[in-house]
Amino acid sequence: DTAVSQTPKYLVTQMGNDKSIKCEQNLGHDTMYWYKQDSKKFLKIMFSYNNKELIINETVPNRFSPKSPDKAHLNLHINSLELGDSAVYFCASSQRTSGTGELFFGEGSRLTVL
Amino acid sequence: AQKITQTQPGMFVQEKEAVTLDCTYDTSDPSYGLFWYKQPSSGEMIFLIYQGSYDQQNATEGRYSLNFQKARKSANLVISASQLGDSAMYFCAMRRARYNNNDMRFGAGTRLTVKP
Repeated sequence: DTAVSQTPKYLVTQMGNDKSIKCEQNLGHDTMYWYKQDSKKFLKIMFSYNNKELIINETVPNRFSPKSPDKAHLNLHINSLELGDSAVYFCASSQRTSGTGELFFGEGSRLTVL
Repeated sequence: AQKITQTQPGMFVQEKEAVTLDCTYDTSDPSYGLFWYKQPSSGEMIFLIYQGSYDQQNATEGRYSLNFQKARKSANLVISASQLGDSAMYFCAMRRARYNNNDMRFGAGTRLTVKP
């Protein structure tokens, strides 16, 4: 069983479209994240949720809207896609008060905007 | 604001030799956690090692060790006996406070290439 799973793994779409990426974790963690990795491999935090509550909302365009229906799921919806949105988006989870609290990452979703 | 700096965009090492990947950080928080992650060409992010700011000893995990120098705010990763499979991107990361898991920031990464 995959601990943190994202779908889809690959997404190719046209500018102006709306798309969603889904993330689920079966680790029982209470915190989930979205990170964006650009073409230079830089990893930037976008959002963080703790028990379905938005904790971190970085300076991300409001075209990006996260939704956490429960603490095991954190989806990312992107409106009006732009060329600069092309990147790999990683979902991750962690347990806030347990052990080292390292992040467990999904495999990433590669978004290409044409 | 916290900042993590990895000054080596790329590093080369001969197989079976040791290599040190540099990481410096800047924070005013007294409590924080430092992490190293590996990202092979296949793209997944793999957790390697953790050091807490109050930990007295340097962390070790198999061939990985963390050279933690708190006064210098550095947390260098040492990989001993390099293997071809160690070729990957390596990221240093910092979490702001021991139990504040919500804020984990990454450095720009170092691409390590192991030569046979």
